[in-house]
Amino acid sequence: GEDVEQSLFLSVREGDSSVINCTYTDSSSTYLYWYKQEPGAGLQLLTYIFSNMDMKQDQRLTVLLNKKDKHLSLRIADTQTGDSAIYFCAETFPSGGYNKLIFGAGTRLAVHP
Amino acid sequence: DGGITQSPKYLFRKEGQNVTLSCEQNLNHDAMYWYRQDPGQGLRLIYYSQIVNDFQKGDIAEGYSVSREKKESFPLTVTSAQKNPTAFYLCASRGTDNYGYTFGSGTRLTVV
Repeated sequence: GEDVEQSLFLSVREGDSSVINCTYTDSSSTYLYWYKQEPGAGLQLLTYIFSNMDMKQDQRLTVLLNKKDKHLSLRIADTQTGDSAIYFCAETFPSGGYNKLIFGAGTRLAVHP
Repeated sequence: DGGITQSPKYLFRKEGQNVTLSCEQNLNHDAMYWYRQDPGQGLRLIYYSQIVNDFQKGDIAEGYSVSREKKESFPLTVTSAQKNPTAFYLCASRGTDNYGYTFGSGTRLTVV
């Protein structure tokens, strides 16, 4: 069945780059997303990439997609303490007449001075 | 501003009680979703609705019920049949484009 996997924890120093990785199993994915969740809050869409793209850059965020290996990554440049949160990778694909959205378990990013 | 409003933010339920979580959106989105989030796990789909007066079970629908009488509203009832209801519940909606998933701020339900 479909599955999305992420490492659960990442710790980086303030000012360094963070790279969060994700693998997925369904080859019919149409869009892939990165969401950010701060404590006690809902999910905020950070960025997305269409499945026929290799890369997308949006200010400090760079998304890389390797469709052959079903691997997605999110790079945050110049990581700040405000970037500390849980980051969810998600994929959407057609299933039973609607677009199903599947999430990974989330990567907790801790930024330290 | 357009968005999704979930209420209440915190909810306490006694054993054997049904409780209803509210989700309202003013984004004019057709599709709405309910997800459950447990610590260390991703979000799991409970129910979804692609249009008014229609809804479908997700992956973990047992012990839950929904209604979609209005486009703006998609309430979730957690029934006494749900044996482990303590969790964080998130409502989302989606427009016609695939990057339109908008989430509410969530309701934390605790069984006391």
